[in-house]
Amino acid sequence: AQSVAQPEDQVNVAEGNPLTVKCTYSVSGNPYLFWYVQYPNRGLQFLLKYITGDNLVKGSYGFEAEFNKSQTSFHLKKPSALVSDSALYFCAVILKGTGRRALTFGSGTRLQVQP
Amino acid sequence: EAGVAQSPRYKIIEKRQSVAFWCNPISGHATLYWYQQILGQGPKLLIQFQNNGVVDDSQLPKDRFSAERLKGVDSTLKIQPAKLEDSAVYLCASSLDPGSTDTQYFGPGTRLTVL
Repeated sequence: AQSVAQPEDQVNVAEGNPLTVKCTYSVSGNPYLFWYVQYPNRGLQFLLKYITGDNLVKGSYGFEAEFNKSQTSFHLKKPSALVSDSALYFCAVILKGTGRRALTFGSGTRLQVQP
Repeated sequence: EAGVAQSPRYKIIEKRQSVAFWCNPISGHATLYWYQQILGQGPKLLIQFQNNGVVDDSQLPKDRFSAERLKGVDSTLKIQPAKLEDSAVYLCASSLDPGSTDTQYFGPGTRLTVL
């Protein structure tokens, strides 16, 4: 079985400050990891993914994420938050080698950036 | 490049009525997914198509839900009869090839309210 946990329902940060949205995963093999963002009344937008190689992955809109195998984490980060980053963020996983292609999502973390 | 299109964007029905949702994936994308996103939760897979064949429908409530992807392009998801617990956003996604590393692109979703 595979699962994703996003331990924080909401993260509040002031504009200009660094932000971190946490994600931990539980799989019995090697994971492929993804981050998506959802704005109100819109679908999910792809931010970045980790497949293999460099543990630090850079994505859209200045976001990056670090894959940490020992801590089974894939936290999303941005050096300087913008008010426009306020949205719902989802971490997702696919277990390598199972033939399963669908994403297993976490429950989401609402990011609120205050001006 | 045009994104994934879905219609309608919103639908309100009474319980026991039927409803259908339509999805047009990104041109050339072989794999199509339907996810159900209940308020406050991450999306969950209902069904996955590879071209016009079903790859994974293990989480589709087949007594009331059905889906088809004729000619390997557009897809329709139907619910008959609807229950109150079917109130959710129905997301369609597509990806270029069936590889598990391939990015899934999501449409804006259809918000269903069952009264």
